Amino acid sequence: AQKVTQAQTEISVVEKEDVTLDCVYETRDTTYYLFWYKQPPSGELVFLIRRNSFDEQNEISGRYSWNFQKSTSSFNFTITASQVVDSAVYFCALSEEGTGTASKLTFGTGTRLQVTL
Amino acid sequence: GAGVSQSPSNKVTEKGKDVELRCDPISGHTALYWYRQSLGQGLEFLIYFQGNSAPDKSGLPSDRFSAERTGGSVSTLTIQRTQQEDSAVYLCASSSDSGTDTQYFGPGTRLTVL
Repeated sequence: AQKVTQAQTEISVVEKEDVTLDCVYETRDTTYYLFWYKQPPSGELVFLIRRNSFDEQNEISGRYSWNFQKSTSSFNFTITASQVVDSAVYFCALSEEGTGTASKLTFGTGTRLQVTL
Repeated sequence: GAGVSQSPSNKVTEKGKDVELRCDPISGHTALYWYRQSLGQGLEFLIYFQGNSAPDKSGLPSDRFSAERTGGSVSTLTIQRTQQEDSAVYLCASSSDSGTDTQYFGPGTRLTVL
């Protein structure tokens, strides 16, 4: 069965600090997809990134970067120079190749990030 | 283009009553998912629709829960004889395909059962 673990329940940083959110996953499939979603106080889940299991290239998008390492089953997310607007709950999620239930997202429990001035 | 929309945004009901929650997916998306977010259980999958295929109901917690999708577009999640433990945010997501594509979420319906 697939599983996603986000061990950090809550992180508090001061604006402009860098912060890394950890995500560790478990799956028996060789083909799978990993996601990060942001849930701001408004409540809507906002898609950030999707990676497939065959693409271990790290990704950078502005202040956001993602480090995918199959050897450690991790897909960590780093925010550089954090801002107050980054305050939200961040979810890591996993889906497996295939149709039906295989494509459902299995979410971690989320990491609440609080950025203060 | 418009994103996934859900209605109502908030619903308060009394224990034992039936409720209907509506989801309008992104136009052209063939896959539609329902999830539930509650304090105790986190985000959990409920049901999945893909095109005209029979829905995958494996995540529904009890037979009080049902869902349908009419015309391959709008979906309705129905909860009969609501219980207090049904209180949660119900999220709908759609994707252009199953299995490989990104799911985009609506704003959710917050259900409170008194």
